[in-house]
Amino acid sequence: GENVEQHPSTLSVQEGDSAVIKCTYSDSASNYFPWYKQELGKGPQLIIDIRSNVGEKKDQRIAVTLNKTAKHFSLHITETQPEDSAVYFCAAGLGNQFYFGTGTSLTVIP
Amino acid sequence: DTGVSQDPRHKITKRGQNVTFRCDPISEHNRLYWYRQTLGQGPEFLTYFQNEAQLEKSRLLSDRFSAERPKGSFSTLEIQRTEQGDSAMYLCASSLIGGGEKLFFGSGTQLSVL
Repeated sequence: GENVEQHPSTLSVQEGDSAVIKCTYSDSASNYFPWYKQELGKGPQLIIDIRSNVGEKKDQRIAVTLNKTAKHFSLHITETQPEDSAVYFCAAGLGNQFYFGTGTSLTVIP
Repeated sequence: DTGVSQDPRHKITKRGQNVTFRCDPISEHNRLYWYRQTLGQGPEFLTYFQNEAQLEKSRLLSDRFSAERPKGSFSTLEIQRTEQGDSAMYLCASSLIGGGEKLFFGSGTQLSVL
């Protein structure tokens, strides 16, 4: 099956700075890469996704990049705000299954 | 609220008891998934349904676990003879075939087995 690794496990940034979270996957057949934000006591919320035929996608302060050759993808959050503090998960979609990374706990310091 | 709904939000039970969780997906979503999440980990796939058919089960899903989705609407996940290792957040998600594989999660049921 697929194996998704995510780094770093924790990340602290000053408000207004950028945050970058990186993930690698093992199965070159994976073709869909969503990112989820999970706040305490809540389920994961889809924030952005990218398909294997696209190299980059942006939505306001959030962007995702995908390098299929290297099998890695990254989440970029610019101009971070305290409300961005949460746990972020990457995932790789293969068929009808989704394989998640172990999460990154992001803290934005005001 | 038209999101994925899960009930109960929290469940505390004693080892050996049976528990049942319910998930109501987003209406018209024909795929429904169950995931398990432990502290500090990402969600792990348990099983999924397309309409009322259970199409795939993870090897994580032991014989003590059973899931149903009668009539292709809500789903239930039952755990029999609970063990302390079953303590986790049980997440339900739904998606729409042709909807771009986007998974929408509920808030989960936190199970604690004492």
